Amino acid sequence: AQSVTQPDIHITVSEGASLELRCNYSYGATPYLFWYVQSPGQGLQLLLKYFSGDTLVQGIKGFEAEFKRSQSSFNLRKPSVHWSDAAEYFCAVGHNAGGTSYGKLTFGQGTILTVHP
Amino acid sequence: EPEVTQTPSHQVTQMGQEVILRCVPISNHLYFYWYRQILGQKVEFLVSFYNNEISEKSEIFDDQFSVERPDGSNFTLKIRSTKLEDSAMYFCASKVGLKSYNSPLHFGNGTRLTVT
Repeated sequence: AQSVTQPDIHITVSEGASLELRCNYSYGATPYLFWYVQSPGQGLQLLLKYFSGDTLVQGIKGFEAEFKRSQSSFNLRKPSVHWSDAAEYFCAVGHNAGGTSYGKLTFGQGTILTVHP
Repeated sequence: EPEVTQTPSHQVTQMGQEVILRCVPISNHLYFYWYRQILGQKVEFLVSFYNNEISEKSEIFDDQFSVERPDGSNFTLKIRSTKLEDSAMYFCASKVGLKSYNSPLHFGNGTRLTVT
């Protein structure tokens, strides 16, 4: 069965510092991978996605992620964190069995990001 | 940008009562979903819906749960007899149908259900 592991429950960084959030997945076929962000009281906003092609994908708000098949990883990075990036971040793997399965996501536990001024 | 909207934002109900959570998906989307997140736990898939029928459901989605698209715009999740363990944030999501694999899943802001 597919699964997603986010090893870090909580990360604290200083504003302006670089950020890397880890994500490891388990999926039997070619994975569709996503990062979502959730601010308090808000829904899940898509940051970026990987389906195929270039393994380094760019997203919104200056985020990027790199798909490494050999490591079953899809880590999220940002070179310089802003205070407004404080939120919870979720990695997810999508199913690719056709039809509505493309919207059936398996999520990781989430990583809470705190940004110090 | 079009949004998925959910009402109410917070629902408090007593154990054993029926609740209906409402969602208005993005207008040209054809695939609809419900997810839930129990406090401190992962976001979990509940059910997917297309062409007025359930496409897939998880083990969580038992006979107490049902979904409906009563008109051309609303998508509802009904819990017939709520239990304490149904307390969670419920997210509605939608997606375009055609060539769906690389289109994003759009989530609403969620309804926090508290069962007392």
